[in-house]
Amino acid sequence: NAGVTQTPKFQVLKTGQSMTLQCAQDMNHNSMYWYRQDPGMGLRLIYYSASEGTTDKGEVPNGYNVSRLNKREFSLRLESAAPSQTSVYFCARGPHGEQYFGPGTRLTVT
Amino acid sequence: GEDVEQSLFLSVREGDSSVINCTYTDSSSTYLYWYKQEPGAGLQLLTYIFSNMDMKQDQRLTVLLNKKDKHLSLRIADTQTGDSAIYFCAELTPDNTDKLIFGTGTRLQVFP
Repeated sequence: NAGVTQTPKFQVLKTGQSMTLQCAQDMNHNSMYWYRQDPGMGLRLIYYSASEGTTDKGEVPNGYNVSRLNKREFSLRLESAAPSQTSVYFCARGPHGEQYFGPGTRLTVT
Repeated sequence: GEDVEQSLFLSVREGDSSVINCTYTDSSSTYLYWYKQEPGAGLQLLTYIFSNMDMKQDQRLTVLLNKKDKHLSLRIADTQTGDSAIYFCAELTPDNTDKLIFGTGTRLQVFP
């Protein structure tokens, strides 16, 4: 997965619980991304970070927050999980459109 | 707005060629990409084409771009069972934010 790690691999949450998905890269690229993948909908961008210290909303940011802690790490937080957030979450790093993806986190919210 | 469309399924016999099609709506996109996703894994970049090119070939892969019709295709020659996966096309948004807009993906099934 080209040096992008994600933890955890699987998670089950109850509605209302919170959690943070972790992502780290080992290539020192400026841009990092969080996507969710749902059946029949491709990948949708939740948040992205063009550089350390900056974050911007993507297509589906509601219910999520992010932190670009340093150049290596970009975390995604669900403050109050909802069943609609059941999905597979992918972190990716740049450069540009040549994105390299982590293995994903499969999240189920009951 | 930006929208990338693909057919959902394609089934081919091993050894035949596969052609996966994609249409996009933002004619100012500069780069278009093909990604592959194997079961249980993240996406893997296969190839890309710059918008001023009509064709790009990379071993068994051929990318064709018809900018007038906003149509992109990926041809896989001599398709193998290991090519079974979901294939996504994606366009780079032209707003200098390095964001990709992905299609819904085409599931390619290769049978013996």
